[in-house]
Amino acid sequence: AQTVTQSQPEMSVQEAETVTLSCTYDTSESNYYLFWYKQPPSRQMILVIRQEAYKQQNATENRFSVNFQKAAKSFSLKISDSQLGDTAMYFCAFMEYGNKLVFGAGTILRVKS
Amino acid sequence: DTEVTQTPKHLVMGMTNKKSLKCEQHMGHRAMYWYKQKAKKPPELMFVYSYEKLSINESVPSRFSPECPNSSLLNLHLHALQPEDSALYLCASSSFGQGNTEAFFGQGTRLTVV
Repeated sequence: AQTVTQSQPEMSVQEAETVTLSCTYDTSESNYYLFWYKQPPSRQMILVIRQEAYKQQNATENRFSVNFQKAAKSFSLKISDSQLGDTAMYFCAFMEYGNKLVFGAGTILRVKS
Repeated sequence: DTEVTQTPKHLVMGMTNKKSLKCEQHMGHRAMYWYKQKAKKPPELMFVYSYEKLSINESVPSRFSPECPNSSLLNLHLHALQPEDSALYLCASSSFGQGNTEAFFGQGTRLTVV
């Protein structure tokens, strides 16, 4: 069974600085998808960014970018120019054939002013 | 439109009640999901429907009964729940296998069992 590991339970960053959240996963498949979700205190699960495993180019969405290392099974999220509204729980998630979307334990990110 | 709509937003029910949670999406996604989430924990997968057929049941107790009436709707029927079933119930849909894979969530139903 696939697993997703987020080794940082909590992180904090100063406003306007850059922070990187780590995620590793385990799978024997070659085709799969990776996601980062943000869950603020409202508990709405918001899709931040996604990456297809067959694409070598790292995904970017405005201030959010990923470092996808397929051989190392690593998928980290970089948030640039951190804003107070980025404070949330961040989940790394994995999906492969069969539609099963599996989540890591999450990282609580606090942005400080 | 990337919206998944869940109703109700909040639900309080007794242990002998029967209630239903509803979920709707109009993005043409053919996979829909129910997750249960406790505070400060990741969502736990309960059920997956793929092309309106139940494809994954993660050994969920029979007091939870899913239903997928059509490709846009997903229900979760609740009966004889326990207080430990109190949680946020999230619905999601995805376009896995349809080209550009994405997965979106509804805002959830906060369920309290008394």
